[in-house]
Amino acid sequence: GESVGLHLPTLSVQEGDNSIINCAYSNSASDYFIWYKQESGKGPQFIIDIRSNMDKRQGQRVTVLLNKTVKHLSLQIAATQPGDSAVYFCAENPNNNNDMRFGAGTRLTVKP
Amino acid sequence: GAGVSQSPSNKVTEKGKDVELRCDPISGHTALYWYRQSLGQGLEFLIYFQGNSAPDKSGLPSDRFSAERTGGSVSTLTIQRTQQEDSAVYLCASTPMVGTGELFFGEGSRLTVL
Repeated sequence: GESVGLHLPTLSVQEGDNSIINCAYSNSASDYFIWYKQESGKGPQFIIDIRSNMDKRQGQRVTVLLNKTVKHLSLQIAATQPGDSAVYFCAENPNNNNDMRFGAGTRLTVKP
Repeated sequence: GAGVSQSPSNKVTEKGKDVELRCDPISGHTALYWYRQSLGQGLEFLIYFQGNSAPDKSGLPSDRFSAERTGGSVSTLTIQRTQQEDSAVYLCASTPMVGTGELFFGEGSRLTVL
């Protein structure tokens, strides 16, 4: 799962399995959340977002779940593929201000 | 180009030297961000530009760091008297709107201070 610290959390899954990446956010006033995917040597890419008036949002093979009670966000990837191997970051945007706060990231490795 | 362009992609410098990192945002994007990413870490917010408004510099770690954005487009991040702890990947992102969250990132400039 996601945490702030010196070591990047890791998740290893078998190709075809579902992946769940977790993130605990810090600011109860945050009203907008985003998941980004960062492949090696590249900048982060937007995956999916969710606003605080929702608890679930689905995209293509991805679902984001938001639990405001415990300040927890998760990203579910269905039928994980080798191309999904990357570092995944959650980000929060408290009060729609300019400062997007990123978590430390989780490294997902998909085994063939 | 179609995406955010950053240069140089790699920069090796000696401690104490000044460096300049450049970002060309996507045309028409009014907001521009600089982030720093140390090895194995998340993204640390540095500075934000929005149109003609005064930039939000609250993330700059010291007065050795500065940034400007000329003509509402190209931005330059300058680090003076570089230190070894400045070694990181510096990422630039742009977005057409504030608060949408969908930042379009460049591939970053990797800075190594010897």
